[in-house]
Amino acid sequence: GAVVSQHPSWVICKSGTSVKIECRSLDFQATTMFWYRQFPKQSLMLMATSNEGSKATYEQGVEKDKFLINHASLTLSTLTVTSAHPEDSSFYICSAKGLPYEQYFGPGTRLTVT
Amino acid sequence: SQKIEQNSEALNIQEGKTATLTCNYTNYSPAYLQWYRQDPGRGPVFLLLIRENEKEKRKERLKVTFDTTLKQSLFHITASQPADSATYLCALIGRGGATNKLIFGTGTLLAVQP
Repeated sequence: GAVVSQHPSWVICKSGTSVKIECRSLDFQATTMFWYRQFPKQSLMLMATSNEGSKATYEQGVEKDKFLINHASLTLSTLTVTSAHPEDSSFYICSAKGLPYEQYFGPGTRLTVT
Repeated sequence: SQKIEQNSEALNIQEGKTATLTCNYTNYSPAYLQWYRQDPGRGPVFLLLIRENEKEKRKERLKVTFDTTLKQSLFHITASQPADSATYLCALIGRGGATNKLIFGTGTLLAVQP
């Protein structure tokens, strides 16, 4: 149980375009999901907390107009990177909150902006 | 400033030996601490959670200790196997309104040689 999927697993896009990444909880409902970013050989950095039916809470330094998060249902949260630039190239990972103090992570999405 | 530090150097050990990984933190007072395993190009997988009032937790070949005085957690893998080779991340969980947030360390790469 507690499986989280992400789609796509990797994506290449041109600079200036937008990319949407989906995060789904497959066998449970997740009122809270999280989005992280991980650069090579660095740790996961929390970008935002997404609550179903309400606006996401962004961490300090994360541009909410650039990284649009929508959590429209109990099993789906999406992250849209708008007007992507090469410096946005990274590994994006979502997680869903399960039992208290537990998070279940997706497999990640590798974004490359050319 | 708040900091979570793990051995930045890769840890190379021989199969069958015990691997010990360290997580030190400063300017935090976590209620819980977790350890995750991350394989290349994948999301983290939860391994163990330990509470601030627990000194030690075990699960099969894994053992975690938590010393809130030293602000340190040790993660042990006994009878290590090549399949244990991965990056291991520690993560702290805050208090009050931050109980949902995970703050990750930089991770330690473990390589178990056959």
